Amino acid sequence: AQSVTQLDSHVSVSEGTPVLLRCNYSSSYSPSLFWYVQHPNKGLQLLLKYTSAATLVKGINGFEAEFKKSETSFHLTKPSAHMSDAAEYFCVVSGVSGYSTLTFGKGTMLLVSP
Amino acid sequence: DTEVTQTPKHLVMGMTNKKSLKCEQHMGHRAMYWYKQKAKKPPELMFVYSYEKLSINESVPSRFSPECPNSSLLNLHLHALQPEDSALYLCASSQGLAGGLETQYFGPGTRLLVL
Repeated sequence: AQSVTQLDSHVSVSEGTPVLLRCNYSSSYSPSLFWYVQHPNKGLQLLLKYTSAATLVKGINGFEAEFKKSETSFHLTKPSAHMSDAAEYFCVVSGVSGYSTLTFGKGTMLLVSP
Repeated sequence: DTEVTQTPKHLVMGMTNKKSLKCEQHMGHRAMYWYKQKAKKPPELMFVYSYEKLSINESVPSRFSPECPNSSLLNLHLHALQPEDSALYLCASSQGLAGGLETQYFGPGTRLLVL
């Protein structure tokens, strides 16, 4: 079985300051991990994914995430927030065995103020 | 190109209506998915198709009927829906179903309102 916990339902930052969105996972296997972003009334866009290659994963729009097996974490970071980053972010784990079904975290709403 | 398209963008229907949602991808992906997303919640998996055959049905009520006419198209037929079925319906596709290695690409969704 696998699960994902996003530790914050809301994160508020000022434009230009760093972003940290926290995610912990549980998986019986070596997981694949993803971060997706969803802007209001839009579909989900893939930010980045980890599939057991480099532990530091770079994504689009300046985001990156670090896989830490010892801490079972996959936190998403960005050095400097932009107003357009305001959105819902989902941390997702995919099982290795069987079908490629995704387990979603509950989401973190990122609020960016001027 | 990693585009999944969905039509219509918005749909309003009565409880006695029959309507269909359409999803299309031209990435050569062989797995396609339907998700339902309620407000402020993560998406919930409904159906998975692999090579045009239904692989997973997550105990979805029969008023939702999926169809995969070819490898690029996925439909969701709706009949006798309830107001609680109002949600954002998302389609996704992936290269295949190779365990956890596949990346799913999502469409923009259809916003459904059932009156």
